Amino acid sequence: DQQVKQNSPSLSVQEGRISILNCDYTNSMFDYFLWYKKYPAEGPTFLISISSIKDKNEDGRFTVFLNKSAKHLSLHIVPSQPGDSAVYFCAAPNPGTYKYIFGTGTRLKVLA
Amino acid sequence: DGGITQSPKYLFRKEGQNVTLSCEQNLNHDAMYWYRQDPGQGLRLIYYSQIVNDFQKGDIAEGYSVSREKKESFPLTVTSAQKNPTAFYLCASSIESRSNTEAFFGQGTRLTVV
Repeated sequence: DQQVKQNSPSLSVQEGRISILNCDYTNSMFDYFLWYKKYPAEGPTFLISISSIKDKNEDGRFTVFLNKSAKHLSLHIVPSQPGDSAVYFCAAPNPGTYKYIFGTGTRLKVLA
Repeated sequence: DGGITQSPKYLFRKEGQNVTLSCEQNLNHDAMYWYRQDPGQGLRLIYYSQIVNDFQKGDIAEGYSVSREKKESFPLTVTSAQKNPTAFYLCASSIESRSNTEAFFGQGTRLTVV
């Protein structure tokens, strides 16, 4: 049972435009969410997080939005740059065990 | 520099052999994790440890074993019982497992069975 889902395996965006990556979750007990960026053959690097007491968190070009009623979060990258091309994972620690559960990832390609 | 070190980066193993992947962290983190990534799939949890001398199975623990004798170290052994061991293995750590913080990852080890 996939508790964290990323339904779009890939996304292509023109440089300078907005990239929107989506993530859905099923467990209403999740109260913290993270986004990671991963290049091929490297470990994921932490990008941005959001607590369930907020609906938005912003860090430079990256903004994460959380819609608790829809159990949905999204990562906005504005403006998109070619160096943003990578696989993006959303994740949530499972309360009780606090093991991190990851989505399957979305491959973003920013076209120059 | 503080961080997580995985070694080796590339590892080749013959079928039927056990192999151990190293993971060391100097971040003073209590919790450590092992994930596996296969092409087109997300990160699947193999084992995790919340504290020294304690660890729990993740979602795909069969064919793997771990130990946590020191806070800094969490080695993963891929045994001959693991049917599809070829994958990219990632080790991670976090301050403590029962808090909302990020996990930090190593650079990964690519294991290939030949």
